[in-house]
Amino acid sequence: KQEVTQIPAALSVPEGENLVLNCSFTDSAIYNLQWFRQDPGKGLTSLLLIQSSQREQTSGRLNASLDKSSGRSTLYIAASQPGDSATYLCAVNEYSNYQLIWGAGTKLIIKP
Amino acid sequence: GAGVSQTPSNKVTEKGKYVELRCDPISGHTALYWYRQSLGQGPEFLIYFQGTGAADDSGLPNDRFFAVRPEGSVSTLKIQRTERGDSAVYLCASSLMGLGTEQFFGPGTRLTVL
Repeated sequence: KQEVTQIPAALSVPEGENLVLNCSFTDSAIYNLQWFRQDPGKGLTSLLLIQSSQREQTSGRLNASLDKSSGRSTLYIAASQPGDSATYLCAVNEYSNYQLIWGAGTKLIIKP
Repeated sequence: GAGVSQTPSNKVTEKGKYVELRCDPISGHTALYWYRQSLGQGPEFLIYFQGTGAADDSGLPNDRFFAVRPEGSVSTLKIQRTERGDSAVYLCASSLMGLGTEQFFGPGTRLTVL
């Protein structure tokens, strides 16, 4: 059974730092992996989607990488800003399965 | 509207009551998903629709939960005889097609069962 783990559960860093959030999954037979952002009391915003054949995706200050063989993905945030404070979740989409399997998220606080 | 919408945003009910939660997907999206999220956890899959039919309802916790999508657009999640353990945020998502396409989420409905 696929399991998705995100470490750390919470992270607090000063504004301006570059940082990396980690996501690991137990079964490498995935179709794709998505990173989401969730603000308190709000829904989920899709940040990046990486297909299983891709190694990375970039959007602005965000870069997500995927190493399917080792079951790992990272989300790199450059030059962090207080507005980046949120919970970041990763989710995998398995072959022949319409469900997203989710990590519990990393709560990120960027201190001004 | 441009995004997925859900109503109501908050619902407080008493144990044993019946509730309906509504989801309006992005226009043209054929796939619709329901998830449930408890505090401090990632969302948990409930059910997936492709068009009008439920293609995968394996995540529904028991027979008190039921969902419909009669015309292939709006969906309603129905919970009978609510229990305190049903309290959670219920999230709806839609995607252009099914497997593997990017899912876009609504703001959720926070259900509280007293």
